Amino acid sequence: DSGVTQTPKHLITATGQRVTLRCSPRSGDLSVYWYQQSLDQGLQFLIQYYNGEERAKGNILERFSAQQFPDLHSELNLSSLELGDSALYFCASSVAGDRISYNEQFFGPGTRLTVL
Amino acid sequence: AQKVTQAQTEISVVEKEDVTLDCVYETRDTTYYLFWYKQPPSGELVFLIRRNSFDEQNEISGRYSWNFQKSTSSFNFTITASQVVDSAVYFCALSEARQAGTALIFGKGTTLSVSS
Repeated sequence: DSGVTQTPKHLITATGQRVTLRCSPRSGDLSVYWYQQSLDQGLQFLIQYYNGEERAKGNILERFSAQQFPDLHSELNLSSLELGDSALYFCASSVAGDRISYNEQFFGPGTRLTVL
Repeated sequence: AQKVTQAQTEISVVEKEDVTLDCVYETRDTTYYLFWYKQPPSGELVFLIRRNSFDEQNEISGRYSWNFQKSTSSFNFTITASQVVDSAVYFCALSEARQAGTALIFGKGTTLSVSS
């Protein structure tokens, strides 16, 4: 158990809908990362937050957004869902989030999203 | 551009065989970090090792060992005396220190199947 929690574990929804994925980082970790794992794209970085502020952006679609709250939990919002958004979405956390004090990332169990 | 290549898509071995998983990376930065993660059939991502670009010492942890060679931009992973429980997808990943954030760039993964 990495200490990172994600809810829900599974999510089934229809095209055009909006969903919210939730992540709680390990105790003491300030950085939260979101990754998408799909069969065709592999594991891709979406976005990083550090202590409530956006730190880095990857291949995140405009239909997707995220935020990190004062208690450090994070939510990933996916809207206008398409079939191709079906994937496993991972959240990871680390103590810090910059090049000076790099720490490894610990991953949550993931949320499997199925868009029908 | 930063890139991680895991040329071996699938490897099958019999228990007690040694197996090496290859990882080749590309980066323009002089300071970077390399990682290996394991994804067992249950789906979670398990951190195995982190190595920074200034530390070329090989590392051994039980049956696992890692060989980092900057001259060939490779960070290979060897499992000695493989066991059925080693069956998983293994990912090599890269993070460049010059980035504002610390996102991981993953290879496509190598699926290792160990049969008894």
